[in-house]
Amino acid sequence: DADVTQTPRNRITKTGKRIMLECSQTKGHDRMYWYRQDPGLGLRLIYYSFDVKDINKGEISDGYSVSRQAQAKFSLSLESAIPNQTALYFCATSDREGTNEKLFFGSGTQLSVL
Amino acid sequence: RKEVEQDPGPFNVPEGATVAFNCTYSNSASQSFFWYRQDCRKEPKLLMSVYSSGNEDGRFTAQLNRASQYISLLIRDSKLSDSATYLCVVNRGNTDKLIFGTGTRLQVFP
Repeated sequence: DADVTQTPRNRITKTGKRIMLECSQTKGHDRMYWYRQDPGLGLRLIYYSFDVKDINKGEISDGYSVSRQAQAKFSLSLESAIPNQTALYFCATSDREGTNEKLFFGSGTQLSVL
Repeated sequence: RKEVEQDPGPFNVPEGATVAFNCTYSNSASQSFFWYRQDCRKEPKLLMSVYSSGNEDGRFTAQLNRASQYISLLIRDSKLSDSATYLCVVNRGNTDKLIFGTGTRLQVFP
């Protein structure tokens, strides 16, 4: 079984719909992240959480919200999807040792907004 | 200037060849450096961290040049299975926020 599991793997939706992407992990890590990846661009951070009571905006949080329901669960919501939110979304957890932070990614969710 | 820059490639090399990629970063205060590998439409996976003195893992060697602000990845004896996109990741200055490069694509042919 995957250590970081994302659902769904693929989703097609229409403009204006509310969408939730879910992420769960069995690695026992406190830190969790949501990234999006677009062709020709690097992964960009949407939101991150260092523990259940901690939520932080990343560089592109507009149009998104998150919920950290438990240490193992971190969900991403698009309240009203728009076409430029079509992208490949990754959830990640991290294992931090000193200044080294290693990321472990889920398999990704391909979201298409029509 | 982008915070992290990579040549997008593709680098097309025959099996057995040695290939090297560079990645430049803009913030001299950066302390953490990594190479990740990403197969097409799959998740990135950590290939190796990059340490100040350079480090090797099998056929892969990573180097850091602080003076010129770049890191490099050398792959010896390339295999078909090395075909992938290699992402350079650097922390932003004195923060622990990680910045991803757009990746360098490697294609190894028979």
